[in-house]
Amino acid sequence: QKEVEQNSGPLSVPEGAIASLNCTYSDRVSQSFFWYRQYSGKSPELIMSIYSNGDKEDGRFTAQLNKASQYVSLLIRDSQPSDSATYLCAVPKNEKLTFGTGTRLTIIP
Amino acid sequence: DADVTQTPRNRITKTGKRIMLECSQTKGHDRMYWYRQDPGLGLRLIYYSFDVKDINKGEISDGYSVSRQAQAKFSLSLESAIPNQTALYFCATSDSSRRATDTQYFGPGTRLTVL
Repeated sequence: QKEVEQNSGPLSVPEGAIASLNCTYSDRVSQSFFWYRQYSGKSPELIMSIYSNGDKEDGRFTAQLNKASQYVSLLIRDSQPSDSATYLCAVPKNEKLTFGTGTRLTIIP
Repeated sequence: DADVTQTPRNRITKTGKRIMLECSQTKGHDRMYWYRQDPGLGLRLIYYSFDVKDINKGEISDGYSVSRQAQAKFSLSLESAIPNQTALYFCATSDSSRRATDTQYFGPGTRLTVL
């Protein structure tokens, strides 16, 4: 089992709809979780971090964490064409980050 | 000005050549990392350094070496480049003094092509 797993997509969502991205992890003791956004050919950019079970909202983004089920998700409300990118889930282990392979999201105008 | 810079941004080289990629940061962070990214494989850690005297291998260090010249500078070398080292390379930094020590900040990347 991979340490961090994401559906590679592509995930296509109409403009204005909610995009839902999921990530599962294998290490039960993980305490913090990160979502990075990466535009094609660009560097990853941190958009959300979450440490506690439940939801964390920041503008149009909501991160959801369920430690019992070992998954973390990212919801993007009112999706915009500028949200089209690859979204990477990252989980710390031994003071390093393990990244999923990313989900490619396309917002259709 | 960018907090994490990488030079060069693009490089085309030939098999067998020695290549150095450089990373500099003005964030004052103590930790620095080198990753490579290949399509479908995500980000893979090559080397990391928690301070100037602490350098560690990541999951794919074979064929690479690093030097931490100062807290702000971390260089990655390919002693004898081979075509399967063609990839996008990222440098990243983090700050162990903050609560969110795992938060990493990335440079703009270097696109390396080995012919």
